[in-house]
Amino acid sequence: QVQLQESGPGLVKPSQTLSLSCTVSGASISSGGYYWSWIRQHPGKGLEWIGYIYYSGSTYYNPSLKSRVTISLDTSKNQFSLKLSSLTAADTAIYYCATGDSKWFPPYFDPWGLGTLVTASS
Amino acid sequence: QSVLTQPPSVSGAPGQRVTISCTGNSSNIGAGFDVHWYQQLPGAAPKLLIYGNNNRPSGVPDRFSGSTSGTSASLAIAGLQAEDEGDYYCQSYDSSLSVVFGGGTKLTAL
Repeated sequence: QVQLQESGPGLVKPSQTLSLSCTVSGASISSGGYYWSWIRQHPGKGLEWIGYIYYSGSTYYNPSLKSRVTISLDTSKNQFSLKLSSLTAADTAIYYCATGDSKWFPPYFDPWGLGTLVTASS
Repeated sequence: QSVLTQPPSVSGAPGQRVTISCTGNSSNIGAGFDVHWYQQLPGAAPKLLIYGNNNRPSGVPDRFSGSTSGTSASLAIAGLQAEDEGDYYCQSYDSSLSVVFGGGTKLTAL
């Protein structure tokens, strides 16, 4: 079955760019069928969709974050990544990568990675 | 402020049936977009509970069921168990071109 694991720095300075990777096992990110997704959760709060990318490279972003977000594929490593620029304290959150089933619209997300806490602080 | 509105908390005695509502509008649930539900146990990542309004993934007990009506959706949990305690989220899509989640509901077994 598909498994995902997030990796990246846990502390990023304000105004800098957050970079996270998600390593996928059990599926090829260059095959169709999935939206490779990022979702975040502010401490003690609810879930916020960041965006996803299809195997073709097509990307779909949350309009509220679109100007700062880039999601890309690295097929050589079977990874997809998230870049979020101009970080502020409001971006402190647990960041999850997840698999979105493209046979459904909207896609449902299953499975999820364990999540990684990113703190924006100097 | 979430586009999909859920009650902050619900509770019930073990063995009881509880429901969690998810209220949207004509731009999301009312527009016919499917609703999915997730369970997040303490300290864990969210887990898919219901997809496509009323479908259970394999391994999810049939105590969990989903439904939709108009601009709202509901998650029902029959025979509440202590292990069901956690946070529950609905998810759909909004015509503003965004996947949207509800604000989450904390379920407590009394």
